[in-house]
Amino acid sequence: QITLKESGPTLVKPTQTLTLTCTLSAFPQNTRQMGVGWIRQPPGKALEWLAVIYGDGYKLYSPSLKRRLTITRDTSENQVVLTMANMDPVETATYFCVHGRTNSGYFQIFFDYWGQGSLVTVSS
Amino acid sequence: QSVLTQPPSVSGAPGQTITISCTGNRSNLGTGYDVHWYQQVPGIAPKLLIYHNTNRPSGVPDRFSGSRSGTSASLAITGLQAEDEADYYCQSYDGDLSRWVFGEGTKLTVL
Repeated sequence: QITLKESGPTLVKPTQTLTLTCTLSAFPQNTRQMGVGWIRQPPGKALEWLAVIYGDGYKLYSPSLKRRLTITRDTSENQVVLTMANMDPVETATYFCVHGRTNSGYFQIFFDYWGQGSLVTVSS
Repeated sequence: QSVLTQPPSVSGAPGQTITISCTGNRSNLGTGYDVHWYQQVPGIAPKLLIYHNTNRPSGVPDRFSGSRSGTSASLAITGLQAEDEADYYCQSYDGDLSRWVFGEGTKLTVL
């Protein structure tokens, strides 16, 4: 059982940079079969994957958001940080930190543990 | 609009069996990327139900099962219970989009 908890601002202004921190109870092993990622969900809408950092440090980003996203980790603190630049009101959503793993290739990752989510409102 | 198509809603009476479809294309399910399923009760984080097409995590009742064939996948729930009322999402990887994708979700109503 792995627990994840998101922390960060609940309100950001348009054009500002959002910084979210995920603190995990256990960090993924040094392998490309485990990782930590971020998924968001606008109110009443579907889930959208944003980024993942694998246990070996390999990173992947949603191509449409890649220029605005940065995912980093601090293994000593069991934390993963996501920054998203130039926030827009349409990006008001609940941001989930997720633990992912796969029993095969790293593109086959699924998300087995989720944080409770952090609602971020983008408004002036 | 997602590349994984799910019905917006399904319903069933307690005890019945329902299925939720997830239809993809040649760049995701058709390429061989696995499908995974999640259950989300409103206001709560999603929960993994099925991974790698057919596998259930420990703690998920065997009333939930997954299948996959070609560019489609299905989630079946037998012996429907009131507590199954939730939104259900499928997820896979899309090689053309180079990202993980979710379906739009299916709202299950237990009558």
